[in-house]
Amino acid sequence: QVQLQESGPGLLKPSETLSLTCTVSRGSVNFYYWSWIRQPPGKGLEWIGYVHYSGRTNYNPSLRSRVTISVDTSKNQVSLELDSVTAADTAMYYCARRPSGNNQPFDYWGQGIMVTVSS
Amino acid sequence: SYVLTQPPSVSVAPGQTARITCGGNNIGTKSVQWYQQKPGQAPVLVVYDDSDRPSGIPERFSGSNSGNTATLTISRVEAGDEADYYCQVWDNNNDHQEIFGIGTKVTVL
Repeated sequence: QVQLQESGPGLLKPSETLSLTCTVSRGSVNFYYWSWIRQPPGKGLEWIGYVHYSGRTNYNPSLRSRVTISVDTSKNQVSLELDSVTAADTAMYYCARRPSGNNQPFDYWGQGIMVTVSS
Repeated sequence: SYVLTQPPSVSVAPGQTARITCGGNNIGTKSVQWYQQKPGQAPVLVVYDDSDRPSGIPERFSGSNSGNTATLTISRVEAGDEADYYCQVWDNNNDHQEIFGIGTKVTVL
């Protein structure tokens, strides 16, 4: 079955840019939506945004000014960039797949990567 | 933006039934998903489109959705069901946002 693996730096300083990659294996990025979802320690899930395999994106309004999500179909990867991070961006970051079409769930999730922002 | 309301915690004895609610304005018109998250693990889909179960999820997990409340029901609760449970909808009335509830901690007594 499809596997998602997040990768990237685990420690950032305030004002730096968070850059994460989600590599999809045993499946294709084509025909799906790919979301990034984060979870601060001890708190709930927050949807950051998605990219469709076609390149179309949509973001959480609370993060829209700082977020870029992109897809590389040749590498079967999805990327997240979050600018000007602060301690409030410290969280576990997950990538998740959602099939195209209405009312579809996040059916596969990566194991997540912990990102800490600290000076 | 659309808001989903969940109780912070639910406690249930083994073998009994746990009901976790997810409130939202006319949520009955939306499709609701439920995810289970155990400590240190990624969320796992347990119910989608209000009441469907992915393969591998026990029949003890069921869902319903009507009016302003969706409900996840766990029958014959087991110790292994202790986890956080999140409801989620796709808000296509508001720029296609994915919305999560705050989560409910289910404790098995």
